[in-house]
Amino acid sequence: QVQLQESGPGLVKPSQTLSLTCTVSGGSISSGSYSWNWIRQPAGKGLEWIGRINTSGSTNFNPSLKSRVTISLDTSKNQFSLRLSSVTAADTAVYYCARDLDYGDNWFDSWGQGTLVTVSS
Amino acid sequence: EKVMTQSPVTLSVSLGERATLSCRASQSVSDNVAWYQLKPGQVPRLLIYGASSRATGIPARFSGSGSGTEFTLTISSLQSEDFAVYSCQQYNNWPLTFGGGTKVEIK
Repeated sequence: QVQLQESGPGLVKPSQTLSLTCTVSGGSISSGSYSWNWIRQPAGKGLEWIGRINTSGSTNFNPSLKSRVTISLDTSKNQFSLRLSSVTAADTAVYYCARDLDYGDNWFDSWGQGTLVTVSS
Repeated sequence: EKVMTQSPVTLSVSLGERATLSCRASQSVSDNVAWYQLKPGQVPRLLIYGASSRATGIPARFSGSGSGTEFTLTISSLQSEDFAVYSCQQYNNWPLTFGGGTKVEIK
């Protein structure tokens, strides 16, 4: 059973870049036809899909965040990462990493437990 | 983008009772809907995919139905561990979108 774990700073200043890493254990991040996703949930609101990367390095992003998001893959460390630039208080949320199938069937069968990131000076 | 609207926002249910949660899509998403259970500090759990298929290890008291724009998650007899937030997701179109969630609380 694959497990995912988010890590990174819990506090980021406005206008700076939020950086998070997801470490995958129990399986290789480059095996199988999976994509690796970032999803967030602001307090009191619903989940928002941020974007994903597949094992070939191809990415998809939510158009609402696309101009500020970078997602990268480090197969040697079995990790993938999120960078969100020019953050504001509206980016305060619990950030999750999750896995879905690369082609169709884009539901999330494995998740991390989430990490709270607060944007504040 | 496809907007997913869940109702009610909060559902108060007694132990052993049936809970019915609704999810409506702004346009047809065929049967490309999944449901998740979310609890604070825990890993979100996939319950249903393909609108009605139970994920691995999910108890039979959870069932999903619907197609097009109207979807339902039913918990036939609520257990204590079922009190949580439930979220629907469509994967028919990009970007992937979720509903706002329904909180199932103890009555």
